[in-house]
Amino acid sequence: KAGVTQTPRYLIKTRGQQVTLSCSPISGHRSVSWYQQTPGQGLQFLFEYFSETQRNKGNFPGRFSGRQFSNSRSEMNVSTLELGDSALYLCASSLGHLSTDTQYFGPGTRLTVL
Amino acid sequence: AQTVTQSQPEMSVQEAETVTLSCTYDTSESDYYLFWYKQPPSRQMILVIRQEAYKQQNATENRFSVNFQKAAKSFSLKISDSQLGDAAMYFCAYRSALLIKAAGNKLTFGGGTRVLVKP
Repeated sequence: KAGVTQTPRYLIKTRGQQVTLSCSPISGHRSVSWYQQTPGQGLQFLFEYFSETQRNKGNFPGRFSGRQFSNSRSEMNVSTLELGDSALYLCASSLGHLSTDTQYFGPGTRLTVL
Repeated sequence: AQTVTQSQPEMSVQEAETVTLSCTYDTSESDYYLFWYKQPPSRQMILVIRQEAYKQQNATENRFSVNFQKAAKSFSLKISDSQLGDAAMYFCAYRSALLIKAAGNKLTFGGGTRVLVKP
């Protein structure tokens, strides 16, 4: 099976712009979770989507949003970018309905905000 | 809220030797899962090992094994016969097992431990 894929891998934006990141899960996985990784804050949970519904949300401002499509692919959007949004954004997929679930991560999207 | 703490920012080990990474966590739940993920310089997070809290037996995956002490809320990772390819950041993570359909799949990570392997 192909692994989790994320596009684009690298992105450079300027303050005030918006950005959309994409994540394609492993085939058969219905849950997609997003994480932000920064040197200062470490790995922080953004949100999780399961069967096109947001199931859980971390403590991030409303500028961060996401959605999931019927094929389980997910996008996250960040509006009005700030310098502090520069980070590695990781997505992870899993089956989503088992207590024994394990999440598998994609390679990440490196976002730089200038 | 659950918290995960990794007290060792960096550990160094000689090739072929053994290194142990520490992880402690805080939770009021009785049923949960613990994970160790490896993040090499490529930044791809790779699952190393998983432990179910209801299992007393420590998980093992080849050269990787854990020491799970539920009462002490401790979950250490031992890397035996260290290889150059083991050099990476290692993250300990916690996930609740309660009502997965409601609570979702949130992983809570520790701050990470960088492992350096000396040839």
